Amino acid sequence: EPEVTQTPSHQVTQMGQEVILRCVPISNHLYFYWYRQILGQKVEFLVSFYNNEISEKSEIFDDQFSVERPDGSNFTLKIRSTKLEDSAMYFCASSPDNGSEKLFFGSGTQLSVL
Amino acid sequence: SQQGEEDPQALSIQEGENATMNCSYKTSINNLQWYRQNSGRGLVHLILIRSNEREKHSGRLRVTLDTSKKSSSLLITASRAADTASYFCAPYDNAGNMLTFGGGTRLMVKP
Repeated sequence: EPEVTQTPSHQVTQMGQEVILRCVPISNHLYFYWYRQILGQKVEFLVSFYNNEISEKSEIFDDQFSVERPDGSNFTLKIRSTKLEDSAMYFCASSPDNGSEKLFFGSGTQLSVL
Repeated sequence: SQQGEEDPQALSIQEGENATMNCSYKTSINNLQWYRQNSGRGLVHLILIRSNEREKHSGRLRVTLDTSKKSSSLLITASRAADTASYFCAPYDNAGNMLTFGGGTRLMVKP
């Protein structure tokens, strides 16, 4: 079965640094998402992306966050100036429709901000 | 967007026993989806039940939906140690809102 791939699997950064988390969604999918999960807590929605623009975002997705689809295959999440509380597992997901049937998740990037 | 609330928060059973997890939600839905998350991994879609369905099966999984009570249950029969994971429900409404996930049920199946 096709997979969503995320790189890197682990990312360690210093507070205040910029990080870019990368995702390759499934090739014929049109909707892309980022979720995050702080250790031991629930999986939280960050943002959805369709037709080269953000379609929905949560309160967590503030000005420090941005998403981009720089080419036909990658989907990136950028955190401009990381904070300690950004430490979490970040999951990318994609869907052929608007998520009403099924989301396909990647294995995640564990971000540690020191 | 609406969110399902799973119950119980944690469940521990012996291999071979059945595991039942419940989900409640607040408003009308188009469908309800169940996902599994193994520790440190992404969520994996298990099964979807539509609002006009009452019960659905997939292998050892049985899902029921009661729209009058706004609740769903996931039954895993003849559980295995490999079923140890967190299970999440995700109600999808007709407004096109994004899937959100509750705290999940942490299932532990002891060999």
